[in-house]
Amino acid sequence: EAQVTQNPRYLITVTGKKLTVTCSQNMNHEYMSWYRQDPGLGLRQIYYSMNVEVTDKGDVPEGYKVSRKEKRNFPLILESPSPNQTSLYFCASKEEAYPYNEQFFGPGTRLTVL
Amino acid sequence: AQSVTQLDSHVSVSEGTPVLLRCNYSSSYSPSLFWYVQHPNKGLQLLLKYTSAATLVKGINGFEAEFKKSETSFHLTKPSAHMSDAAEYFCVVTQTGANNLFFGTGTRLTVIP
Repeated sequence: EAQVTQNPRYLITVTGKKLTVTCSQNMNHEYMSWYRQDPGLGLRQIYYSMNVEVTDKGDVPEGYKVSRKEKRNFPLILESPSPNQTSLYFCASKEEAYPYNEQFFGPGTRLTVL
Repeated sequence: AQSVTQLDSHVSVSEGTPVLLRCNYSSSYSPSLFWYVQHPNKGLQLLLKYTSAATLVKGINGFEAEFKKSETSFHLTKPSAHMSDAAEYFCVVTQTGANNLFFGTGTRLTVIP
């Protein structure tokens, strides 16, 4: 089944403890992206990657890192999480980096930083 | 600069009545526009998209949207609401040459039996 998977689905952590949220897609998509969703703000893009070893900042990149060493994986790293990073995170991918291509979203990761 | 405004944060309709979810956009260049739906505790699913072809776009589950450049609008409609349509809906804009999407703040649709 074609899908985007994220792990973990739920995570509660404490301020300053490094964490990684994994994202993997099995559709051989070139483009991958991370978003955070907050009430009343919709989804905002954190980082995106147009292909392996190519990443770029979205609208809210502060406090996050990403890497794209393989085509299928695009982990999101929080080196020193803070409470304002408590949010619902979505990973997405699409076939090529054309704006009109549909993005396929993962099921989301709900992160709470205490 | 690009932005999206969803004019209603919450819309409530009775089952079997029409649905209208409003979206206005701002884009410097030719936009691509999307509607995504998010059911509770689920990821987002594409309903339909506009990419400079026909201005009336038909999507899944009986939804459609009309691109009106003069009004900078891309409203989502459905003739008859079903209980399964209850969800949050996001209007999204991007533009040719860009690779980041701009999401509206969402409209929560409630369907009353």
